[in-house]
Amino acid sequence: EAQVTQNPRYLITVTGKKLTVTCSQNMNHEYMSWYRQDPGLGLRQIYYSMNVEVTDKGDVPEGYKVSRKEKRNFPLILESPSPNQTSLYFCASSLYKLAGGTEQYFGPGTRLTVT
Amino acid sequence: AQSVSQHNHHVILSEAASLELGCNYSYGGTVNLFWYVQYPGQHLQLLLKYFSGDPLVKGIKGFEAEFIKSKFSFNLRKPSVQWSDTAEYFCAAYSGGYQKVTFGTGTKLQVIP
Repeated sequence: EAQVTQNPRYLITVTGKKLTVTCSQNMNHEYMSWYRQDPGLGLRQIYYSMNVEVTDKGDVPEGYKVSRKEKRNFPLILESPSPNQTSLYFCASSLYKLAGGTEQYFGPGTRLTVT
Repeated sequence: AQSVSQHNHHVILSEAASLELGCNYSYGGTVNLFWYVQYPGQHLQLLLKYFSGDPLVKGIKGFEAEFIKSKFSFNLRKPSVQWSDTAEYFCAAYSGGYQKVTFGTGTKLQVIP
């Protein structure tokens, strides 16, 4: 089944404890992206990647890191999480870079709570 | 700056009522527009999209949207809503040459049986 998977789905952690949220897609997609969803703010793009070893900042990259060493995986790293990073995180992918109506496929989300 | 605005934050309708959700964008050049739906507890799914051609696009589950370039709008419509349409709806856009996606703040639709 074609899908985007994220792990973990739920995570409660403490301030300053490094964590990684994994994202994997089995559709051979080139473009991958991370979003955070907060009430009243919608989804905001954190980072995106157009292909292996090609990543760039979205609108809210502060406090996050990403890497794209393999085409299928795009982990989101929080080196020193803070409470303002408590949010619902979505990973998404698309077949090619964004153009000509290319749509994104979303993962199930990771609910992160930082205390 | 590129932006997407959804002015209806929370809409409550009775079953069989007609729906129109507003979406306005501020992009120059070629714009690609999308409506996504998020059912309670689920991830986002594509409802419909527009990037060229007929400005009236039809999507899944009886939804449609009209791209009006002069008004910078891409409003979502459905003639008759059902209880199962209860969800949050997001308008999104990106423009040619840019790889960033901008989402609106979302509209929560509650359909009362």
